[in-house]
Amino acid sequence: ELKVEQNPLFLSMQEGKNYTIYCNYSTTSDRLYWYRQDPGKSLESLFVLLSNGAVKQEGRLMASLDTKARLSTLHITAAVHDLSATYFCAVEPGAGSYQLTFGKGTKLSVIP
Amino acid sequence: GAGVSQTPSNKVTEKGKYVELRCDPISGHTALYWYRQSLGQGPEFLIYFQGTGAADDSGLPNDRFFAVRPEGSVSTLKIQRTERGDSAVYLCASSSDRLTQYFGPGTRLTVL
Repeated sequence: ELKVEQNPLFLSMQEGKNYTIYCNYSTTSDRLYWYRQDPGKSLESLFVLLSNGAVKQEGRLMASLDTKARLSTLHITAAVHDLSATYFCAVEPGAGSYQLTFGKGTKLSVIP
Repeated sequence: GAGVSQTPSNKVTEKGKYVELRCDPISGHTALYWYRQSLGQGPEFLIYFQGTGAADDSGLPNDRFFAVRPEGSVSTLKIQRTERGDSAVYLCASSSDRLTQYFGPGTRLTVL
């Protein structure tokens, strides 16, 4: 059974600071996704990582994937209040499977 | 363009009743997914449709849950003999390329 663990689950950080969210998964996978969810809203796709060493950046967020370590990171640079949300990583279990297994999410609060 | 829509946005029912939740995917998306999200958790996969057929229903928790997509567009998730443990937000997503799942706003189901 595929397990996806995120840490930390809660993160309170000051504006302007940098931090990293970690996503570990338990079985081989070449596809990892990051989503953002604002309170009471649905999920917004942030990044799709498809291969070992993949790195993608959008604004103050950068995601990377190490398939050998079964680890993805979401790095936040110079945080701003608008980044406050819950961030989920999700993994496809393997070839031919289309379902996503999500982590529990990291609730990020950026404090002015 | 229009995103994934779900109706109703909220549904309150009594234990033992039958409910139907509807999902309208993005036009032209052949893949459709249902997930369930409990409070404080990541979404859990329920079922995946490719066209009209259920390609993977391994996430349906028991035979009280059933989903259809008769014309390859709109899908309905049906829950019989609802239980209090069924209370959650039910999310629908659609995809055209398997890389990105676009999520709808969800239906919040409350079973009293």
